[in-house]
Amino acid sequence: DIVMTQSPDSLAVSLGEGATINCKSSENILYSSDKKNYLAWYQQKPGQPPKLLIYLASTRETGVPDRFIGSGSGTDFTLSISSLQAEDVAIYYCQQYYNTPLTFGQGTRVEIK
Amino acid sequence: QVQLVQSGAEVKKPGASVRVSCKASGYTFTGHYMHWVRQAPGQGLEWMGGIKPNSGDTNYAQKFQGRVTMTRDTSISTAYMDLSRLTSDDTAVYYCARDRTNTWYGGLDWWGQGTPVSVSS
Repeated sequence: DIVMTQSPDSLAVSLGEGATINCKSSENILYSSDKKNYLAWYQQKPGQPPKLLIYLASTRETGVPDRFIGSGSGTDFTLSISSLQAEDVAIYYCQQYYNTPLTFGQGTRVEIK
Repeated sequence: QVQLVQSGAEVKKPGASVRVSCKASGYTFTGHYMHWVRQAPGQGLEWMGGIKPNSGDTNYAQKFQGRVTMTRDTSISTAYMDLSRLTSDDTAVYYCARDRTNTWYGGLDWWGQGTPVSVSS
């Protein structure tokens, strides 16, 4: 199974400041035939199901604010929040869908400092 | 508007089985793969498997092989997840989630509200 490891486990950021979450996969999840990274990012708020933010490592889902930016390739990926808003307080998960079983990172909790 | 509406909370005894349903609306049910993901209390997300609604083909995580069965009824746009031989470790919220594509490699773009399943003697 592909293991997804996120860092840090939690971070506290001042409103308006940037936040960066890292995600590392135990195997390359760049598909050679289409040169796409099969990685997604989700946001989960308390009591709610996860919400898809980013797919193919850097493509924002419809309606997701442009302060959420996904980057990276191969085994190392990053989710950046350019200017943290109060509504961004949540747990963020990366997930690979390069191979089954689909696997998620352990999550990163983002809070307001 | 895409909606995935799941069945209600369940309380089960160890050794029992549970069925969770997921009724889809607002899109062509057979056009998108359906996943099942669970989340134990205070824990992360765990993929259980999925089903291709147009063919019924399934793909289960090894961990659940032999205990999980995923089916669908295309006439009522509903997917089902059956889990047998429950233990307390199966206490979790169970989600159905639609894939962006008709395969399992697209990302999960719409999620059901979740079905809490509690297993206790």
